[in-house]
Amino acid sequence: EAGVAQSPRYKIIEKRQSVAFWCNPISGHATLYWYQQILGQGPKLLIQFQNNGVVDDSQLPKDRFSAERLKGVDSTLKIQPAKLEDSAVYLCASSDYLRGSPYEQYFGPGTRLTVT
Amino acid sequence: AQRVTQPEKLLSVFKGAPVELKCNYSYSGSPELFWYVQYSRQRLQLLLRHISRESIKGFTADLNKGETSFHLKKPFAQEEDSAMYYCALSGRYGGATNKLIFGTGTLLAVQP
Repeated sequence: EAGVAQSPRYKIIEKRQSVAFWCNPISGHATLYWYQQILGQGPKLLIQFQNNGVVDDSQLPKDRFSAERLKGVDSTLKIQPAKLEDSAVYLCASSDYLRGSPYEQYFGPGTRLTVT
Repeated sequence: AQRVTQPEKLLSVFKGAPVELKCNYSYSGSPELFWYVQYSRQRLQLLLRHISRESIKGFTADLNKGETSFHLKKPFAQEEDSAMYYCALSGRYGGATNKLIFGTGTLLAVQP
């Protein structure tokens, strides 16, 4: 099966600009996650969707970050306006809660964001 | 607070030597523990989970609830084991499920 797809792979923007990331999960996976991984740290969950509903967004900085998953498939994560501390790799993952193990998350290649 | 601690940023061993990557956790409840691995230029992927009690690529990990540890072990390291290893904890947080909390990772370097 095709893996989780993300685009773009790299993005460089200036602070106060906006940026959007796209994720296409594995076909049929109902659960989608966005993680932020700052250099030297482990991934940190930003938001979790179950189909097109938000399950957990407790660590999403809602004043600048937003995410949506229309139709319960693809998802976009947006940052507006970006700050220097947003420089990180943004990982998308998906899991199949109903048929497979709910705990095995499949990760995309990530988007490396640099804010200058 | 739920937390995963990996005390070593880097572990360097020689090929054929035993490996132990340390992981300690704090969690009030029954946790699910995992090891994820990221090889150079590859995606983060699941290596093993404690509920499966399996050995993957020669690696094993035993959940010790008394010591709140989930150390990853391999008796004889291979050069292809060189990678970044993340310990992760899952549990129910305020009704959400499957949320993973990751440690900071340990880079395993196996020298020839």
